[in-house]
Amino acid sequence: AQTVTQSQPEMSVQEAETVTLSCTYDTSESDYYLFWYKQPPSRQMILVIRQEAYKQQNATENRFSVNFQKAAKSFSLKISDSQLGDAAMYFCAYRSGSEKLVFGKGTKLTVNP
Amino acid sequence: DTGVSQDPRHKITKRGQNVTFRCDPISEHNRLYWYRQTLGQGPEFLTYFQNEAQLEKSRLLSDRFSAERPKGSFSTLEIQRTEQGDSAMYLCASSLEGRTEAFFGQGTRLTVV
Repeated sequence: AQTVTQSQPEMSVQEAETVTLSCTYDTSESDYYLFWYKQPPSRQMILVIRQEAYKQQNATENRFSVNFQKAAKSFSLKISDSQLGDAAMYFCAYRSGSEKLVFGKGTKLTVNP
Repeated sequence: DTGVSQDPRHKITKRGQNVTFRCDPISEHNRLYWYRQTLGQGPEFLTYFQNEAQLEKSRLLSDRFSAERPKGSFSTLEIQRTEQGDSAMYLCASSLEGRTEAFFGQGTRLTVV
């Protein structure tokens, strides 16, 4: 079964600084998708960024970028120029042929002013 | 379109009672998913529908749980004879077939006392 591991229960960053959240996963599939979702307190989960496994180029969305290492099964999220609004739970998720998403336990990000 | 809507937002029930939650997906989305999220954990997949057909069910979905999507639009999730272990956030998500992004609702928080 596929598993997703986020080894950092909590992280903090100073406003305007850069932070990297870690994620590793385990799968025997070759074709899959990886996602980072953000869940602000009492608000719905929203997609931050996605990566197709067949693409070698790392995905980027404005201040958010990923470091996808397929051989190492690693998928980290880098947030540049951190803003107070970035404070949230961040979940790494995996999806292959099945429609279901498999989530990690999450990393709580605090942004200090 | 206001996104995925879930009702109620909060539900407190006594152990042994039945509860029903509703999810209204984004209107053109033909796929609908239910997830359960307990404190300190990432969401766990429960079931998903493509139109009105329930295509996959998790082993987490015991006999006390039933989900329906009768006309391929809104969905209901019913829990019979609730137990304290059912206390969790129940999340609904929807997506369009062929698209990787799933959009989440704000969830229904169930507390069983």
